[in-house]
Amino acid sequence: ETGVTQTPRHLVMGMTNKKSLKCEQHLGHNAMYWYKQSAKKPLELMFVYSLEERVENNSVPSRFSPECPNSSHLFLHLHTLQPEDSALYLCASSPFQTSDGYTFGSGTRLTVV
Amino acid sequence: ILNVEQSPQSLHVQEGDSTNFTCSFPSSNFYALHWYRWETAKSPEALFVMTLNGDEKKKGRISATLNTKEGYSYLYIKGSQPEDSATYLCASDTGRRALTFGSGTRLQVQP
Repeated sequence: ETGVTQTPRHLVMGMTNKKSLKCEQHLGHNAMYWYKQSAKKPLELMFVYSLEERVENNSVPSRFSPECPNSSHLFLHLHTLQPEDSALYLCASSPFQTSDGYTFGSGTRLTVV
Repeated sequence: ILNVEQSPQSLHVQEGDSTNFTCSFPSSNFYALHWYRWETAKSPEALFVMTLNGDEKKKGRISATLNTKEGYSYLYIKGSQPEDSATYLCASDTGRRALTFGSGTRLQVQP
C-alpha cells in the first residue's frame, strides 16, 4: 500500500450505467489528480484538485465528472461512457512541494461494454 | 521537442548487465523532471525528482542525470537484477501541477 487507496480495483459497466471511482489518501497531501492510461498510450492527466478546488481540467468529456469533498477524498463519477473509455484510471496525490514526487494508487481497471 | 519521449521502448538484459534509458523533454518552461518505476499490477513509485541542470541523483544501483538546457535526462541501472524488471516512466513538470508523461521504457532482466 502506497498511502493512496483506490476502489474498486476492477469495474465492468454498461454504456447506460452510472458508477463512481473512489480515491483516498491520508498522507496530508493537498493536491489530488486523476490520470488515465489507455492501451499503448502514455499516462494522460484528466483533473487536478488543489486544496479541494479544481485547478485543471484537461479537456475531458463531460461524461467524466470529478468531485473532491475534502482534501483526503477524490471521486470520479462516470455516466454514459463509451467502449473507448475502457482504460486504467489512476489517482495520485502530492504535497505543495513536489520534490518527493507524486504518490499513486494502484488504479481502477475499467471496462465499458 | 514538444512532448516527452523515452527510448528505447523496451529492453531485455541479462542479470548483472548495466543499462541506461533516455528521456527527452521540452526545455522551455522547465520546473522539474520526475522518474517513476512501475511494476506490473502495482502503483507507479517515485524514484527521483530533479530540478537543477547538471544534477545527478542516486538511489542504490539506480542513478539519473539531468540536462535542462538541451532537454534530456538519463536513468542508469548498474548490475541489473530480475527485481528491476518494470516500466520506467519520466515526466516533465512545468510547475503547474500537470505532469506530462512519456510512454515509458519497459525493462526485463533475465536471471
